Amino acid sequence: DIQMTQSPSTLSASVGDRVTITCRASQSISSWLAWYQQKPGKAPKLLIYKASSLESGVPSRFSGSGSGTEFTLTISSLQPDDFATYYCQQYNTYWTFGQGTKVEIK
Amino acid sequence: QVQLVQSGAEVKKPGASVKVSCKASGYTFTSYGISWVRQAPGQGLEWMGWISAYNGNTNYAQKLQGRVTMTTDTSTSTAYMELRSLRSDDTAVYYCARGGGFRELLSPWGQGTLVTVSS
Repeated sequence: DIQMTQSPSTLSASVGDRVTITCRASQSISSWLAWYQQKPGKAPKLLIYKASSLESGVPSRFSGSGSGTEFTLTISSLQPDDFATYYCQQYNTYWTFGQGTKVEIK
Repeated sequence: QVQLVQSGAEVKKPGASVKVSCKASGYTFTSYGISWVRQAPGQGLEWMGWISAYNGNTNYAQKLQGRVTMTTDTSTSTAYMELRSLRSDDTAVYYCARGGGFRELLSPWGQGTLVTVSS
């Protein structure tokens, strides 16, 4: 099974900060990597697919990069609506999620 | 718009079974699979398996093999997930999501169904 490891587990930041979350795969997954945002009591929402493609309707302050085993999600200027938990997910071989990164208010 | 609407919350005793439904609308149901993902309280996301709405083929996570069954009813565009021999650690929010074919994204998701297993 492919394991996904995210870091950090929790991130404290302020509105306007640039935020970066890292996701590592236990083996190469090419670019078959998605990022989701989840708010309390809500279902996950797709932000990024194929490592760097922005889902329709998602603000351009979100971006993704990487390939192989190392990936990043960047929020260029954190907004109040962005405080949430973020998950990476590989879909190269079945589907595996990272453990999540909670972005909280500093 | 594409929408998945799930059945309501359930409370079950250990050893019982639960069946959660997921009604799809806004797209051709048989063109996509349906996946199921669960989230225990305060925990991360766990993929449970998927079913092809086209031909009923399934693929289940190894740890749930033998306890889970996923089915579809194409006449009503509804997918079902049944979990048997429930234990307390099956307490979770269960989500359905469109997708599940080879390298297929999971989007959108249903609103989630809380299943509580308690004696």
